[in-house]
Amino acid sequence: EIVLTQSPGTLSLSPGERATLSCRASQSVSSSYLAWYQQKPGQAPRLLIYGASSRATGIPDRFSGSGSETDFTLTISRLEPEDSAVYFCQQYGSSPITFGQGTRLEIK
Amino acid sequence: EVQLVQSGAEVKKPGESLKISCEGSGYSFTTYWIGWVRQMPGKGLEWMGIIYPGDSDTRYSPSFQGQVTISADRSISTAYLQWSSLKASDTAVYYCVRPRYSGSSNDALDIWGQGTMVSVSS
Repeated sequence: EIVLTQSPGTLSLSPGERATLSCRASQSVSSSYLAWYQQKPGQAPRLLIYGASSRATGIPDRFSGSGSETDFTLTISRLEPEDSAVYFCQQYGSSPITFGQGTRLEIK
Repeated sequence: EVQLVQSGAEVKKPGESLKISCEGSGYSFTTYWIGWVRQMPGKGLEWMGIIYPGDSDTRYSPSFQGQVTISADRSISTAYLQWSSLKASDTAVYYCVRPRYSGSSNDALDIWGQGTMVSVSS
C-alpha cells in the first residue's frame, strides 16, 4: 500500500501568514488522486481539495493544492484564526485508500 | 440536503458484539459506495472498507479484513459496521463516508457522517 508522510507535524503561524503543508507518497499516486481534509476538534473531517488541486464546493480560494507523483502541497494563504485544525492528505489512486498522519496547524 | 446520519455512542465490554449504522438521505443510496473510516483517540484516519449498496459488493482494507463486517440494507438506505467480539483496541470514533462520484469506490470523500464513538472497556 502507499504510505503518505506529512510534514511538519505541527505548524504554528500568525494570522495573515501563509501555511505550506507537505504530503509525500512512498510511490507515485495514480492520476494525482490526492485529496486534503481539514478536521477541527470534535468534528468530522471536511474535504478541501481533490485531484491534487481542485477545490471542493464552498472552499475559499485561500486554500490551494499542488503537486504530482510523490510530492504534494497544501497552501493556505492569509491565515485566519478559524484555520486552526489538523490537516490530512489521502490518496485514492491505489487500493487500499490511505491517509497521512496529519499536520496540526496552530494560529497564534 | 445530502447527509449521512450515524447511530449514537456505544459503551461495550470486551468480547461483546456490536453493530453501528449509517443512514443516507438526499441522494440515490444504491448508486454510491459507502465507506468506513476509523479514528482512534488522538490519532489519524484509517480506511476500513467500502460497500456498494446496489449489489452489496464489499471491499476491505487488508488491515481490517476478518476483523469487521460491512453490510447494507438498501430498503432503508442504511449501511452497517459490525464486530462479533470487541477488543479494547476497537475503542475509536467510526465515520461513514461517501465518495464524490456515483459508482466510484476509490475517490475523495465529500460526505461524512457525524461519527460514532465506540468505547470498549472491562
